[in-house]
Amino acid sequence: KQEVTQIPAALSVPEGENLVLNCSFTDSAIYNLQWFRQDPGKGLTSLLLIQSSQREQTSGRLNASLDKSSGRSTLYIAASQPGDSATYLCAVEGDMRFGAGTRLTVKP
Amino acid sequence: EAGVAQSPRYKIIEKRQSVAFWCNPISGHATLYWYQQILGQGPKLLIQFQNNGVVDDSQLPKDRFSAERLKGVDSTLKIQPAKLEDSAVYLCASSLDPGYEQYFGPGTRLTVT
Repeated sequence: KQEVTQIPAALSVPEGENLVLNCSFTDSAIYNLQWFRQDPGKGLTSLLLIQSSQREQTSGRLNASLDKSSGRSTLYIAASQPGDSATYLCAVEGDMRFGAGTRLTVKP
Repeated sequence: EAGVAQSPRYKIIEKRQSVAFWCNPISGHATLYWYQQILGQGPKLLIQFQNNGVVDDSQLPKDRFSAERLKGVDSTLKIQPAKLEDSAVYLCASSLDPGYEQYFGPGTRLTVT
């Protein structure tokens, strides 16, 4: 049974700092891994999708990596801004499972 | 491109009543997902459709929950009878096919009293 864990559960950083969010999964037989952002009271917005054959994806200030063999993914956010404040969720597809998310606060 | 539409946005019912949610996916998306998100947790997959066939409903409480996707487009999720623990946000998502990027609707917030 696939289990997805995200650490830390919450993170607070000053504006401008680079940061890393972590996602781990127990079953490496996945099709892909997707990172989402969720703002309070809203649905999820897709940030990056990494296929199982890929190692990383980049979009603007975001970079996501995938290491299937170790069951880990990281989301790197460069030069954080207050507008980045949200909950970040990772999800693996094979058996579709989400982590509980990391709540990020970026202070001006 | 229009996004995933859901209605209603909010619903309050008493326990043992029934409720239905509606989802209209992005045009051309063959895969449709229903998720339950309890406060403070990540979404939990309830059911996944590929066109009008069910791919995965292993986490759907089939004694009270049902879902259908007629004609492979719109979908409805029903709860009958509702329990207090069903209070959650119900999210619908769609993708071109399994393995492609998922796009989410705004969700329906259900409160069972």
